[in-house]
Amino acid sequence: QQQVKQSPQSLIVQKGGISIINCAYENTAFDYFPWYQQFPGKGPALLIAIRPDVSEKKEGRFTISFNKSAKQFSLHIMDSQPGDSATYFCAAPMIKAAGNKLTFGGGTRVLVKP
Amino acid sequence: DSGVTQTPKHLITATGQRVTLRCSPRSGDLSVYWYQQSLDQGLQFLIQYYNGEERAKGNILERFSAQQFPDLHSELNLSSLELGDSALYFCASSRGLGTGELFFGEGSRLTVL
Repeated sequence: QQQVKQSPQSLIVQKGGISIINCAYENTAFDYFPWYQQFPGKGPALLIAIRPDVSEKKEGRFTISFNKSAKQFSLHIMDSQPGDSATYFCAAPMIKAAGNKLTFGGGTRVLVKP
Repeated sequence: DSGVTQTPKHLITATGQRVTLRCSPRSGDLSVYWYQQSLDQGLQFLIQYYNGEERAKGNILERFSAQQFPDLHSELNLSSLELGDSALYFCASSRGLGTGELFFGEGSRLTVL
């Protein structure tokens, strides 16, 4: 079964530090790689997405880096803040997946310590 | 607020029972998706409806069924419940069929005892 492999499962970072989450994927139906952020008790919400005619996209403190040849993409959270504590999911549109084809990674629980 | 409404927020029931989860999509969205999130698991795609028609099936058990009504709200029916069905069930909606931003509700937490 095609998967999106996300690592690490959990991450603890000090306030002001950098959080890095990685995802690896298999063959995709098209190039669209979103990251979703989920706070406790809430549904996931789109944080940032990349359609890789570029290898990097930055929105504020959040950056997606994309390596098409390696089939990997990552989320960097710069100057991490306690309010960034959440679970982050990457997703990729897998060829054999149903629906809108987005297959989600297993999630990374990020805790930012003050 | 995503604009997607799910009810009930919490549900506790016994094994063998049947429950119905309800979802109202964001205004103007025609696609509704159902996802299951178990403890320490990612989001597992169950089923998608578009404008009342089933469009795609994922890892949905035969004991589960769904439908989308003319007013575009959707219901997920879970029957012959087992302990392992305990999970968060999310509904999401999007404008069309293609990929793009999914708007998730806050989920329905089902506990099967």
